[in-house]
Amino acid sequence: NAGVMQNPRHLVRRRGQEARLRCSPMKGHSHVYWYRQLPEEGLKFMVYLQKENIIDESGMPKERFSAEFPKEGPSILRIQQVVRGDSAAYFCASSPDLGQAMQETQYFGPGTRLLVL
Amino acid sequence: AQSVSQHNHHVILSEAASLELGCNYSYGGTVNLFWYVQYPGQHLQLLLKYFSGDPLVKGIKGFEAEFIKSKFSFNLRKPSVQWSDTAEYFCAVRSSGGYQKVTFGIGTKLQVIP
Repeated sequence: NAGVMQNPRHLVRRRGQEARLRCSPMKGHSHVYWYRQLPEEGLKFMVYLQKENIIDESGMPKERFSAEFPKEGPSILRIQQVVRGDSAAYFCASSPDLGQAMQETQYFGPGTRLLVL
Repeated sequence: AQSVSQHNHHVILSEAASLELGCNYSYGGTVNLFWYVQYPGQHLQLLLKYFSGDPLVKGIKGFEAEFIKSKFSFNLRKPSVQWSDTAEYFCAVRSSGGYQKVTFGIGTKLQVIP
């Protein structure tokens, strides 16, 4: 049973370009979460998605950032017109839908390390 | 809003020393608590979790944590560390009254010297 998959593992972009980060949740998981880890900081929640729905995007910057989790395919975190301050590790986590939301644990992927030049 | 404080940002220990990493949270309701570990170059792995029941939780690799509700604390302990425990440790809290938004602490970097 494969874990949470993220690609690419490393991504280099120049200022103004777009970055697309992909996350495939564990098999059977229908909840996806994105976190950002800045240097010397902990993980900051960005967005929580279920299939085709954004449940909570309270941690997403208001501009340039968007996320989706389509019916088919991976979840995508998209950053438009990247700036140097976007350089960070972006982690995706997933959890199952067991009907007992309070008992579910999040499992993390290996992360995508974005470097903006 | 919930928050998590990890007091020690960088800890250096010799092998066989005992470990205790502090974690305090602020939230007035019922919580779920977690410790995650991130080994160098790897992703976060769940070390242990507390949902309910016995406040002394045992996790993998000899780690344990104790939930003390009156102190809003969930400290991580290990009686004898090994060099392979060198990693970054994150405490996290989630309100059990809502959906699964998890708040993480800033992390504690543990360096174990052989």
